[in-house]
Amino acid sequence: DTGVSQNPRHKITKRGQNVTFRCDPISEHNRLYWYRQTLGQGPEFLTYFQNEAQLEKSRLLSDRFSAERPKGSFSTLEIQRTEQGDSAMYLCASSEGRFNEKLFFGSGTQLSVL
Amino acid sequence: DQQVKQNSPSLSVQEGRISILNCDYTNSMFDYFLWYKKYPAEGPTFLISISSIKDKNEDGRFTVFLNKSAKHLSLHIVPSQPGDSAVYFCAASDTGGSYIPTFGRGTSLIVHP
Repeated sequence: DTGVSQNPRHKITKRGQNVTFRCDPISEHNRLYWYRQTLGQGPEFLTYFQNEAQLEKSRLLSDRFSAERPKGSFSTLEIQRTEQGDSAMYLCASSEGRFNEKLFFGSGTQLSVL
Repeated sequence: DQQVKQNSPSLSVQEGRISILNCDYTNSMFDYFLWYKKYPAEGPTFLISISSIKDKNEDGRFTVFLNKSAKHLSLHIVPSQPGDSAVYFCAASDTGGSYIPTFGRGTSLIVHP
């Protein structure tokens, strides 16, 4: 299977703990996106990378959120000092980075903060 | 400020009939539109797209119509099947800018046998 892979699928943590999620995009894709989805809402854009460069991060929800893509391949999203409001599905997507983009999504990481 | 709006949270249709899902947008810079389908516990999967240079795009049972003057698009599914039951998201992007897709809130389609 050469689709977008996200780990873990589920994460339960206590408030105040740090969590890190991993995303492995489709191998030939240059762009990697992170979105967040809460119940009853559509995917909300957080940040994206073109290869290893993070080109947009102003939409990250707070300074507790950070993302990396160190070698232009996999990416990690870290949330520090988690809060109950961080509970959501975190989706990763990748694309070729061309005109008329089609994003290919992973299955997401469901975060529950207790 | 929602730039992509799906005003119907849910839609119920009989198997074999037409399903019509609607989407409105406010940003006049949007020029590329996509529909995604999402099953529970899975990520969204791409369904069909349309560029602003067209007003219709068809792929099998799925047709997307774009009315630029009204800033409105719709997805038609004919005939509807029970396996089409899912949440459908409309998304739009500005290909002259960052082309990051902005998503609507989704419409939950239920197709009854």
